[in-house]
Amino acid sequence: KAGVTQTPRYLIKTRGQQVTLSCSPISGHRSVSWYQQTPGQGLQFLFEYFSETQRNKGNFPGRFSGRQFSNSRSEMNVSTLELGDSALYLCASSLGRTEETQYFGPGTRLLVL
Amino acid sequence: QKEVEQNSGPLSVPEGAIASLNCTYSDRGSQSFFWYRQYSGKSPELIMFIYSNGDKEDGRFTAQLNKASQYVSLLIRDSQPSDSATYLCAVNDRDDKIIFGKGTRLHILP
Repeated sequence: KAGVTQTPRYLIKTRGQQVTLSCSPISGHRSVSWYQQTPGQGLQFLFEYFSETQRNKGNFPGRFSGRQFSNSRSEMNVSTLELGDSALYLCASSLGRTEETQYFGPGTRLLVL
Repeated sequence: QKEVEQNSGPLSVPEGAIASLNCTYSDRGSQSFFWYRQYSGKSPELIMFIYSNGDKEDGRFTAQLNKASQYVSLLIRDSQPSDSATYLCAVNDRDDKIIFGKGTRLHILP
């Protein structure tokens, strides 16, 4: 079975721009979660989607948004980028119940200049 | 603010010895507990999960959970240089959010 894939793998943007990241979960997985990882804050939960609905949300500003499509693929959007948004963005998929194992993708490394 | 606390390390352990990694969490309603390993430049990968009090063993790894003390640990027996990585403790809180600790850097000395 193919693993979780994320595109693009690397991205450079400038302040004020917006960016869209994509995540394709493992086949059959219906839950996709997004995380931001930085050296200072570690891995922080952004949001989780299940069956095209946002099921949970972390403590990030409204500039961070996401959606999930009927095939479980998910996108994350960040508008009005700030320097502090530079991070590794990871998505993880699972079958659906939140206590189940999450499998992480390779991540998208975003650099905001 | 719900928290998951880990000692950042680095924890240095001689090859062949037992590495002991510890984690405490603040939400008494937490039900599921996970240990992930993350190599530098890579994404986290699951090592173990535990739901019930006590020990759970998988090969060289043992997870220990004490809900009364809000404490979960990971023991790595016969440590190998390939075990050198950052170990992340994660907890599924009562709101069904997964909260990660900042990780403990483990260095196995050859």
